[in-house]
Amino acid sequence: GQQLNQSPQSMFIQEGEDVSMNCTSSSIFNTWLWYKQDPGEGPVLLIALYKAGELTSNGRLTAQFGITRKDSFLNISASIPSDVGIYFCAGRQGGSEKLVFGKGMKLTVNP
Amino acid sequence: NAGVTQTPKFRVLKTGQSMTLLCAQDMNHEYMYWYRQDPGMGLRLIHYSVGEGTTAKGEVPDGYNVSRLKKQNFLLGLESAAPSQTSVYFCASRETGGVYGYTFGSGTRLTVV
Repeated sequence: GQQLNQSPQSMFIQEGEDVSMNCTSSSIFNTWLWYKQDPGEGPVLLIALYKAGELTSNGRLTAQFGITRKDSFLNISASIPSDVGIYFCAGRQGGSEKLVFGKGMKLTVNP
Repeated sequence: NAGVTQTPKFRVLKTGQSMTLLCAQDMNHEYMYWYRQDPGMGLRLIHYSVGEGTTAKGEVPDGYNVSRLKKQNFLLGLESAAPSQTSVYFCASRETGGVYGYTFGSGTRLTVV
């Protein structure tokens, strides 16, 4: 099936540092979404992107819909301990009811 | 507002046993989904439903059946559990149109021994 390549797979950073992650595909997507999953919980939507080139912020989070429509980026600025978790990208192709998820990026923030 | 509720939260089954996982949402969402999450594999779609009385296969449907008799409930059944079905199962729902974001339940951790 369709796959999204998410990188890096994990990151260990110090509190206060910025972190970037991205997601790429060989196919075009019409919608890109970024989710965060805390231990023992389901993923929670952080940011949704609907147009190529779109740049959207949610507090310290900023995400971009790649101009080629085959990639997306998420940046977290000034990380804090509660940013710990697994971050997933997800995409939807035109006409599809289904979201395709990346394999996730595990973030660890050292106080 | 409970959102998406999954029961049970944990279960251990013996190989060959059957069980049903229940997903209930109180948001009047049309679309509902069942995913499984395995280490290093991300979330993979098992089955989904675009409305009451409808179901469709996802990426990994084998060994599972689903039913959507009521709009608010989406049931996932395992007729004869196998160790390969050991996983964390997530249900999700979304409304028609609007922000295309799913609301997820908190998951069911299933172990098949």
